[in-house]
Amino acid sequence: DGGITQSPKYLFRKEGQNVTLSCEQNLNHDAMYWYRQDPGQGLRLIYYSQIVNDFQKGDIAEGYSVSREKKESFPLTVTSAQKNPTAFYLCASRPSGINEQFFGPGTRLTVL
Amino acid sequence: GQQVMQIPQYQHVQEGEDFTTYCNSSTTLSNIQWYKQRPGGHPVFLIQLVKSGEVKKQKRLTFQFGEAKKNSSLHITATQTTDVGTYFCAGPGSGGSNYKLTFGKGTLLTVNP
Repeated sequence: DGGITQSPKYLFRKEGQNVTLSCEQNLNHDAMYWYRQDPGQGLRLIYYSQIVNDFQKGDIAEGYSVSREKKESFPLTVTSAQKNPTAFYLCASRPSGINEQFFGPGTRLTVL
Repeated sequence: GQQVMQIPQYQHVQEGEDFTTYCNSSTTLSNIQWYKQRPGGHPVFLIQLVKSGEVKKQKRLTFQFGEAKKNSSLHITATQTTDVGTYFCAGPGSGGSNYKLTFGKGTLLTVNP
C-alpha cells in the first residue's frame, strides 16, 4: 500500500526540548516538503528537498532542521530555538514532472 | 515574495446553496492548483489549471482560471454536507518555481444540513 506516513499523530514535548518528526514515503517521489499549519494561516513551507542529500529553506525555516539521507525519508527536527512550535506539521512529496503534491496525515505537536 | 490571497476566509451555507471561493495573485501564475482539506485531515489535490481562461468541471465543482492568469475561482453547485472542509488554492513559489507552492490561507466551508 503506497503512501506517505507520518508518526506519531500526536506529540507532546516540554519547552526547551528538541523533537524529531518522522516522514516516510514509498511512492518513489524525488521531492519532499515540510509545511506548518496554524489556524487561519494556511500552509507555510518550512523546508523542501528536491533530491537526496540536498534541501533548501522555505519561508519559515528558523528553528527547524532537516536531513535527506534516503529518498524515502525526510525527518524534521523542531529545535528549542523555534519560538512557537505548537502546530500541525504536514509532510508532502511530489514526483518528478508533476506539480501535484501528495500529503501525509500530519503530526500535531504540542509543546507544554 | 509571492503571495496568493484567498477570500472569503469562512463561508457557512445551507445544504443545497451554492458556494464560491476566490484566489488572487499580484503576479501572473503559470498554473494554479486547488486542494481540499477535510476537518482533522490533510490536503488532497483536486485539480490544476494551466491555460488562460481555462474552465474545468468535476461533478458539482467548477474551477476557473482568469484570462490574465492572476485569479482563479472554485464554485460548488448545490452544496452537500460532504463538501465541508477547507479549500486552498496554491500557485508556484517565488520566482515561478514549480518545486515550491505558495498556498492561500484557505476558505473554510461549513454546510448546515
